[in-house]
Amino acid sequence: DVKVTQSSRYLVKRTGEKVFLECVQDMDHENMFWYRQDPGLGLRLIYFSYDVKMKEKGDIPEGYSVSREKKERFSLILESASTNQTSMYLCASSFSDRSQQPQHFGDGTRLSIL
Amino acid sequence: AQKITQTQPGMFVQEKEAVTLDCTYDTSDQSYGLFWYKQPSSGEMIFLIYQGSYDEQNATEGRYSLNFQKARKSANLVISASQLGDSAMYFCAMREGPLSSGSARQLTFGSGTQLTVLP
Repeated sequence: DVKVTQSSRYLVKRTGEKVFLECVQDMDHENMFWYRQDPGLGLRLIYFSYDVKMKEKGDIPEGYSVSREKKERFSLILESASTNQTSMYLCASSFSDRSQQPQHFGDGTRLSIL
Repeated sequence: AQKITQTQPGMFVQEKEAVTLDCTYDTSDQSYGLFWYKQPSSGEMIFLIYQGSYDEQNATEGRYSLNFQKARKSANLVISASQLGDSAMYFCAMREGPLSSGSARQLTFGSGTQLTVLP
């Protein structure tokens, strides 16, 4: 079974702090993704990576950066957290060459910025 | 324009009845795929069913089936014999383009439909 593990289920941070959200997958997937989920807006893609050290911007990259130093790990970084980044963050992974295979998601991190 | 539209923010269904959750999509690509996910209140996203644009048959997975109408660009999820455990948020998502393009790795999600199954 595919396992995507996010480091925290709940996280509370203060405005201006640097925040790291970690994600690890155990299926040797090439692709990894970070989404944020807000009520009424569905999931919106922040960044994704299709290989180690590679990254591409999604639809809402402003205020975020990412790091992928190893294939299994994809980190989302909030350089200077702001209250409008309070949200649910979901990490996902998938194979590159199997179109019908779904993205597999972690359990999510509910991040509150005070 | 929205690429994935789910027009039903909330739906109610009686236990053991069937329910259809609507999804329409917008793409100019010939090659694309459509996915449905379930998100219970606990938060995890659970993959339910997949339909490829070239698939001739409607996809089925147990109690889930996909009513795929390509000309109308709709991919509605049908849940038969609803159970209380089906109460959750349901998301429709689309992958566009051939796998050789970077964009094909992404999914675009709709805003979701909150399904409540009544006892």
